[in-house]
Amino acid sequence: DIQMTQSPSSVSASVGDRVTITCRASQGISTWLAWYQQKPGKAPKLLIYAASSLQSGVPSRFSGSGSGTDFTLTISRLQPEDFATYYCQQANSFPLTFGGGTKVEIK
Amino acid sequence: EVQLVQSGAEVKKPGESLKISCKGSGYSFTNYWIAWVRQMPGKGLEWMGIIYPGDSDTRYSPSFQGQVTISADKSISTAYLQWSSLKASDTAMYYCARRTGTTEFFDFWGQGTLVTVSS
Repeated sequence: DIQMTQSPSSVSASVGDRVTITCRASQGISTWLAWYQQKPGKAPKLLIYAASSLQSGVPSRFSGSGSGTDFTLTISRLQPEDFATYYCQQANSFPLTFGGGTKVEIK
Repeated sequence: EVQLVQSGAEVKKPGESLKISCKGSGYSFTNYWIAWVRQMPGKGLEWMGIIYPGDSDTRYSPSFQGQVTISADKSISTAYLQWSSLKASDTAMYYCARRTGTTEFFDFWGQGTLVTVSS
């Protein structure tokens, strides 16, 4: 199985801050990576797919980059509605696997 | 509008059986794979398996193979996740999710079904 490791596990930030979350795959996955946002009590929401493609309807302050084993999700100017937990997911091979999550909290 | 609507919360005892559902609407249900994802209390997301409703082709994560059964009834646009003998460790939120057309990303999700297993 491909292991996905996210860091940090949590981050405290203020509205307007730039936030960067990293995700590392245990083996190369090209750009077969997605990022999801999950708010408490809600289903995950697809933000980024294929490492850097913005899902329809997602604000442009979200961006993704990387290929191979190292990936980043960047929120350029944090908004109040962005406080949530973020997960990466590899789509390279079965079984599909998710990172452990990064909780973005209010500072 | 694409929607996945899951069945309601369940409270079961260890050893009981259970089948939860996920009904798709607003798109061609038979043409998109549906996955099931587990989220244990306070924990992350785990991919359990996936089914293609068009022909019921199914793949399981090794972690869940033999523990659950994934099925679909394309005539009513519904996918299922079932257990024959629940354990307390099956207590979790279960989500269904639609795979995008040709890649293993998930663009629409159900609202989740909370399964509680307790004696």
